[in-house]
Amino acid sequence: SQQGEEDPQALSIQEGENATMNCSYKTSINNLQWYRQNSGRGLVHLILIRSNEREKHSGRLRVTLDTSKKSSSLLITASRAADTASYFCATLPKGGNNRLAFGKGNQVVVIP
Amino acid sequence: GAGVSQSPSNKVTEKGKDVELRCDPISGHTALYWYRQSLGQGLEFLIYFQGNSAPDKSGLPSDRFSAERTGGSVSTLTIQRTQQEDSAVYLCASSYRTGEKAFFGQGTRLTVV
Repeated sequence: SQQGEEDPQALSIQEGENATMNCSYKTSINNLQWYRQNSGRGLVHLILIRSNEREKHSGRLRVTLDTSKKSSSLLITASRAADTASYFCATLPKGGNNRLAFGKGNQVVVIP
Repeated sequence: GAGVSQSPSNKVTEKGKDVELRCDPISGHTALYWYRQSLGQGLEFLIYFQGNSAPDKSGLPSDRFSAERTGGSVSTLTIQRTQQEDSAVYLCASSYRTGEKAFFGQGTRLTVV
């Protein structure tokens, strides 16, 4: 089964609003990553947070990680129409295989 | 090259034919992944290469699927006797080290008719 499970699956917001999406996972991890995908093609890496980190920022992105709850959230502040995309979390499990396991993704639509 | 390159971008093939999908990773990246994505779905892991180690093939859905990585660089994913359920976008990614930031190609959209 997939490691990451994003919630909610689809989100529609007005430009300028904040968008928050969550990801939960099942096993211990080394790191968790968020990716964006436009038009069903290649994914673009957004941010990586390690298991010993609790929060990370990159521009308008803020990621939190709660290893006790095995969950992460991605916040996009002051959203723009160009943020319309699918967002995926991916986890690197600890002590085992080295594959990045992706969740099903969140579809975010930012309405101008 | 500047990024991960995949070819072809699109492939339409008849059921029962074999197809080869190619991935050129970023030079110097030791890790290479293949994923499959069906319409509106998440990424399904297929296979992972790391340096000279034996690949992790545990995600390959059947023995019709195989992949190799020659000289630690270019990788080819081969699907034999294609079926309609093989239709998907096949994505390749590479990273400098295992589990670090992955760079994705634009994918190959495979349609089996």
